Amino acid sequence: DIQMTQSPSSLPASLGDRVTITCRASQDIGNYLRWFQQKPGKSPRLMIYGATNLAAGVPSRFSGSRSGSDYSLTISSLESEDMADYYCLQSKESPFTFGSGTKLEIK
Amino acid sequence: EVKLVESGGGLVLPGASLKLSCIVSGFTFSDYWMRWVRQAPGKGLEFIGEIKPDGSKTNYAPSMKGRFTISRDNAKNTLYLQMSSVRSEDTATYYCARSWDYWGQGVMVTVSS
Repeated sequence: DIQMTQSPSSLPASLGDRVTITCRASQDIGNYLRWFQQKPGKSPRLMIYGATNLAAGVPSRFSGSRSGSDYSLTISSLESEDMADYYCLQSKESPFTFGSGTKLEIK
Repeated sequence: EVKLVESGGGLVLPGASLKLSCIVSGFTFSDYWMRWVRQAPGKGLEFIGEIKPDGSKTNYAPSMKGRFTISRDNAKNTLYLQMSSVRSEDTATYYCARSWDYWGQGVMVTVSS
């Protein structure tokens, strides 16, 4: 099975900061990488698909990138509504696997 | 509007069986792969399995194989998750998802005596 190693597990940040979350895939997954945002008590929300494509309705301050087997989610200028948990998901092959999550919180 | 609504959760005894449902609307159900994902309290997301649009093929996470069965009824726009021999470790919120773009609100399953 493909393992997704996500870091950091916790990310204290200030409003207006540029923040980056990373996932590393244990095997080649091409661009079959998605990012989700999850707020307390809510369902996950798709933010990025195909490693770099913004899902519908997602603010442009969010972006996704890839460097080899490393995938990143970047928020260019943190807003209060961005405080949430973030997960990556490899959707290259079943069984699909999520990263362990990153809790983005106010410093 | 795309909607997915899970039901069937609750408190169950260890060793019991439970069947969750996910009723969908707002899209052509029979066109999409459907997935189940769960999340234990305070923990991350865990893929359970998926089913092909026509119901002819399923895939499961290795840890779920054998006790969990996914099925669908395209005439009823409904996805199912049959859980058997449940354990305390199965306590979680269970989500159904359309491909990966739309998710239900989740249904809580608590396994406890």
